[in-house]
Amino acid sequence: NAGVTQTPKFRVLKTGQSMTLLCAQDMNHEYMYWYRQDPGMGLRLIHYSVGEGTTAKGEVPDGYNVSRLKKQNFLLGLESAAPSQTSVYFCASRRGTEGYEQYFGPGTRLTVT
Amino acid sequence: AQKITQTQPGMFVQEKEAVTLDCTYDTSDPSYGLFWYKQPSSGEMIFLIYQGSYDQQNATEGRYSLNFQKARKSANLVISASQLGDSAMYFCAMREGGGGWTGNQFYFGTGTSLTVIP
Repeated sequence: NAGVTQTPKFRVLKTGQSMTLLCAQDMNHEYMYWYRQDPGMGLRLIHYSVGEGTTAKGEVPDGYNVSRLKKQNFLLGLESAAPSQTSVYFCASRRGTEGYEQYFGPGTRLTVT
Repeated sequence: AQKITQTQPGMFVQEKEAVTLDCTYDTSDPSYGLFWYKQPSSGEMIFLIYQGSYDQQNATEGRYSLNFQKARKSANLVISASQLGDSAMYFCAMREGGGGWTGNQFYFGTGTSLTVIP
């Protein structure tokens, strides 16, 4: 079991460029999440999904789009990157509701210049 | 208003001593869950412990226990017999609601950096 994997691990973008971050999980989890982590701010939820084909906005969705075409994959897109999107991005998955914890990927460090 | 507040940016504890990391939360939903995660310097997020709003007893997992005071809306993490490997950032998180869309949103605090001194 690989758990939750994220691709790429590091990326540097120029302002205005686009990119897609890939999250994959092999645990057959229903729920998946994208967070960003900035210094002093903890983790903030960008978008999440409660099942294949579903997505919803979290706390800080502006400038990002997501898709969950397959249950095991959750993609995060930046259409026109901005320096304010420089951050560490974490993907997480979760088996179910109530007490189930989130399993996190290793993170992607994105720098936008 | 902040959903999760962690007021201790940094804490120090002597090896083998116990330490309490504070967490207060804000919700009007009667059904919610509280989680603690550890983030070592390597960056991964590690789940430690969970407490449900309807759980009568405080949660425990090995050296970790959660001091749940519902009326005060606090969910402090207690680490007993600290070890050098406990040095890390610790995040408190809350899930509001019982299920569905809103029941799957998580809110994280800003974290507490714990340093264990030999």
